[in-house]
Amino acid sequence: AQSVTQPDIHITVSEGASLELRCNYSYGATPYLFWYVQSPGQGLQLLLKYFSGDTLVQGIKGFEAEFKRSQSSFNLRKPSVHWSDAAEYFCAVGPTGTASKLTFGTGTRLQVTL
Amino acid sequence: GAVVSQHPSWVICKSGTSVKIECRSLDFQATTMFWYRQFPKQSLMLMATSNEGSKATYEQGVEKDKFLINHASLTLSTLTVTSAHPEDSSFYICSALPGQGFTDTQYFGPGTRLTVL
Repeated sequence: AQSVTQPDIHITVSEGASLELRCNYSYGATPYLFWYVQSPGQGLQLLLKYFSGDTLVQGIKGFEAEFKRSQSSFNLRKPSVHWSDAAEYFCAVGPTGTASKLTFGTGTRLQVTL
Repeated sequence: GAVVSQHPSWVICKSGTSVKIECRSLDFQATTMFWYRQFPKQSLMLMATSNEGSKATYEQGVEKDKFLINHASLTLSTLTVTSAHPEDSSFYICSALPGQGFTDTQYFGPGTRLTVL
């Protein structure tokens, strides 16, 4: 069975600082990997996704993520955080070939201090 | 593009009543929609997968008679919480998978907060 672990429940960073949110997955083959952001009153918004190819994936809002098969990780990064990035971030894994049956991590709440 | 709406955004009801939540894909057709439940400070838990024109597939532990799902068209799926009780209070989120060409991403609605008194 597939699973996702986001070890950091809550992270606080200063505006302008760099950010890395951790995500580890468990899946037998190469999975589909996603990062979503959830802001209050809004639906989950897709930041980026990885299916195959280049292991460094660029997303929206200046985010990127790197797939590391050897570490079963798909960490999300941003070089300079903005106050508007404060939200809940979810990593998700899906079976190869489909975005159905997503399994989500427990989320990381990002707080940005000014 | 790829916008999913939910209605209502929040609802309060009395114990024993039924509540219907709508999920619509506004600018695309969705052959498959999903219903999730999210508890405070927890992850999204998949409740069921809804395919247009067929019966929904429920995840283990989800009562199909409690949570009725209907996917009557390519743009609308509904979740009815029957005989709601306080333990059904939660945040319900739907998502939709486009039917043609772009089946690699689920698009999520904003969620519905259900409070059962």
